[in-house]
Parts: sequence; C-alpha cells; structure tokens
Amino acid sequence: EAGVVQSPRYKIIEKKQPVAFWCNPISGHNTLYWYRQNLGQGPELLIRYENEEAVDDSQLPKDRFSAERLKGVDSTLKIQPAELGDSAVYLCASSSPSKGSMLNEQFFGPGTRLTVL
Amino acid sequence: DQQVKQNSPSLSVQEGRISILNCDYTNSMFDYFLWYKKYPAEGPTFLISISSIKDKNEDGRFTVFLNKSAKHLSLHIVPSQPGDSAVYFCAATANFGNEKLTFGTGTRLTIIP
Repeated sequence: EAGVVQSPRYKIIEKKQPVAFWCNPISGHNTLYWYRQNLGQGPELLIRYENEEAVDDSQLPKDRFSAERLKGVDSTLKIQPAELGDSAVYLCASSSPSKGSMLNEQFFGPGTRLTVL
Repeated sequence: DQQVKQNSPSLSVQEGRISILNCDYTNSMFDYFLWYKKYPAEGPTFLISISSIKDKNEDGRFTVFLNKSAKHLSLHIVPSQPGDSAVYFCAATANFGNEKLTFGTGTRLTIIP
C-alpha cells in the first residue's frame, strides 16, 4: 500500500513569493490533515478535512494561507505571500476510521521543507 | 501555552538497556495519548497509544505507562536497539481521538552500540 505522497520535498523561495504544496493521501482515507512543524517543535495542526469539507481550520492563518481538497482526494496548501517566519516543514497526514479502534491513526507523509529567504 | 511537554530534548542509552522517555500534559480534557517516532527526512510514524481508561499498554519491546493523577506518561523501550535511534513525539487528544492531536516538542533518542 502506497503511503502519503507529498511534493515537492524541498522548496526555497524569497519572501513575498507564493508557494504551494501538494498532498496525495492514502487511497480510501477520508480525513486529511495539514501540519506545520517548526524547528525543534512538534507538528501543529493547520487544517483538517473530512472528504472535501474543512472541519477544523482554526489554526490556519487565513490572511496568507489557503487550502483546498477538491473531490475529497488530493489537497493543496498555498501561502501567498510567504514570510520569513513561514520557514518550516509542512506535513500532510491522512486517516480512516478503523473497526474496533477509538482513534483514527494518522499516517504522515515525508513533508515539504520550506525555506523562505 | 505548551499543553504537552517533553522536557528532555535528548537522551542517550546503551544498546540492550532500557530507554525511558517522559511526557507531561496540562489539559485535563486529554483522554488518549500516542507516541510517534520520526527518522530524519521522514514523517512521524505511529508507535503505540494508550487510553485514559488504562494505565499501561504493551506492544513488544514498547510499553507506555499513564499516570492520570500526575498528568504524566512514559514510554519504555526494552531492550533498546540501534534502530530505535530517532526523535520521539508524545501526542494527546480529547474525545477519545475525535479531536486534533497536540504534540510535544520531541525527544531525540540515541542508542549507543
């Protein structure tokens, strides 16, 4: 079974430029998450989708960040314009209800490391 | 406000000995706790979890202990192996997994051969 795919793996841009990250979740996973992980910190949730609906975007800085999950499969996270403080690893994860489990185990992709100069 | 804390940024343990990683939390609404393991340039992978209705969960070499009154959990790895060298994240959630995960800052474990 293929895991969560993210691209690009690395991105270097100058401040004020736009940038986009792409995520393809595990096939059949209805729930998709975008996290940001700053250096020396744990991942922090930006947005969670249930199919194509954003059910939790309270931590997404909506002035410059946007996300979409058309057709409830792939997702794109965009930053426009990027700021120096946006340098981080952006992780995508997906999950699906498991029979007999109280928790939807989240499977993470390798992340995109963004550097803003 | 760091609701999940891992106060040890790093830990070195001799191969074959026990590794103990600690995690503290402040939010009394948390009722499900997880440990994730992360290798460089990879995403975190789920390792083991525990519900607040239990105080211990064991899976092979990995055991997680939960002390609800102290709001403290620990991950024991025994015996430690070189492949266990990684960053370990503690995470917590409320509503038995139906809420978002809140992660700690991680502990880098190095197993010395």
